[in-house]
Amino acid sequence: NAGVTQTPKFRVLKTGQSMTLLCAQDMNHEYMYWYRQDPGMGLRLIHYSVGEGTTAKGEVPDGYNVSRLKKQNFLLGLESAAPSQTSVYFCASSYGTYLAGYTFGSGTRLTVV
Amino acid sequence: AQKVTQAQTEISVVEKEDVTLDCVYETRDTTYYLFWYKQPPSGELVFLIRRNSFDEQNEISGRYSWNFQKSTSSFNFTITASQVVDSAVYFCALRNTGNQFYFGTGTSLTVIP
Repeated sequence: NAGVTQTPKFRVLKTGQSMTLLCAQDMNHEYMYWYRQDPGMGLRLIHYSVGEGTTAKGEVPDGYNVSRLKKQNFLLGLESAAPSQTSVYFCASSYGTYLAGYTFGSGTRLTVV
Repeated sequence: AQKVTQAQTEISVVEKEDVTLDCVYETRDTTYYLFWYKQPPSGELVFLIRRNSFDEQNEISGRYSWNFQKSTSSFNFTITASQVVDSAVYFCALRNTGNQFYFGTGTSLTVIP
């Protein structure tokens, strides 16, 4: 049982390049989330999805796009990477019951130079 | 509005000392869950505990204990007889009837051998 799998684990981008981070979960969770973690700022929500085909903005959505074409996958895209997007990105998923806990992926360390 | 405050940014203790990590939350909801997650140096986020708003019983799990007090909106975490392996960043989080968690900014604990 893999839980939540994020790919890639590490990536270095040049400013202006684009990339997609993939999050896959095998727990049949309805909800999926993308967070970024920066020193001293904790975890901040970028975008989330409450079901296949749905997405919503979180606290810091600018510069990112997401898609949830399949229930098990949640993609985070950076169209034109900026150094301010250097961060550790975590994907999480949970059941649709609103008080369910999260299962986190292992994180993606992204550096934009 | 929901908010979680972890006022202690960094704590250092000597091995075998007890340490308490503070967490104060704000919410207008009567139904909510509180969580603690551990992030060791390896980077993954590990679930530690979940408490619901109707259960103020303190909980003990080995060297870990949690003190939930609704009167002060606090959910503090104590490690007894700390060990070097306890060195990590600890996050407190709140989830209410909405679709997301609200995380504190984390407390970095260093246990010195």
